[in-house]
Amino acid sequence: GAVVSQHPSWVICKSGTSVKIECRSLDFQATTMFWYRQFPKQSLMLMATSNEGSKATYEQGVEKDKFLINHASLTLSTLTVTSAHPEDSSFYICSAEEVNEQFFGPGTRLTVL
Amino acid sequence: QKEVEQNSGPLSVPEGAIASLNCTYSDRVSQSFFWYRQYSGKSPELIMSIYSNGDKEDGRFTAQLNKASQYVSLLIRDSQPSDSATYLCAVNTGFQKLVFGTGTRLLVSP
Repeated sequence: GAVVSQHPSWVICKSGTSVKIECRSLDFQATTMFWYRQFPKQSLMLMATSNEGSKATYEQGVEKDKFLINHASLTLSTLTVTSAHPEDSSFYICSAEEVNEQFFGPGTRLTVL
Repeated sequence: QKEVEQNSGPLSVPEGAIASLNCTYSDRVSQSFFWYRQYSGKSPELIMSIYSNGDKEDGRFTAQLNKASQYVSLLIRDSQPSDSATYLCAVNTGFQKLVFGTGTRLLVSP
């Protein structure tokens, strides 16, 4: 299957700071990428759909000013968590679509102190 | 009613047995169906995709789709302890988005 990478794999930050997470499709071009969040023992929740060259589409209840998404190229999408707070601590996972299938990155574990 | 429903389990099977995982979905216009495996603390890994009614086999895995009854299943033959994980059913309801079930935890005992 297609390979998707994420960086960093984990990050610890202080409350109020911003954190950027990168998602890259390594062996294919992805016009569409997705950002999910997963809390412990819960299923994946889609946060937003990221389309190359256009604004992201956010799911209901997701603050677009807090979770900034940029999809500047066909292989890179970034998620910036602005002014992070402890309740933003979670497992953030991106996926990229190739031929109607979504392949997930390894995830980024964010801990906000 | 949840869009995609799975029994949370755990489903316990002995090594070598067949594990049967089930999923039902509510949106009749759904066209694409996927099974992902997720190990604890890791991200999901795509196992199978199925688009038409019937069975689709890939190695020890068989996905079954019945659109009239709105269910998808995954059979794992010759289950191994390494198959112990949470299995997520996902449905594409249109507009590229996947809706995930809450997952079924599978435990394969040696």
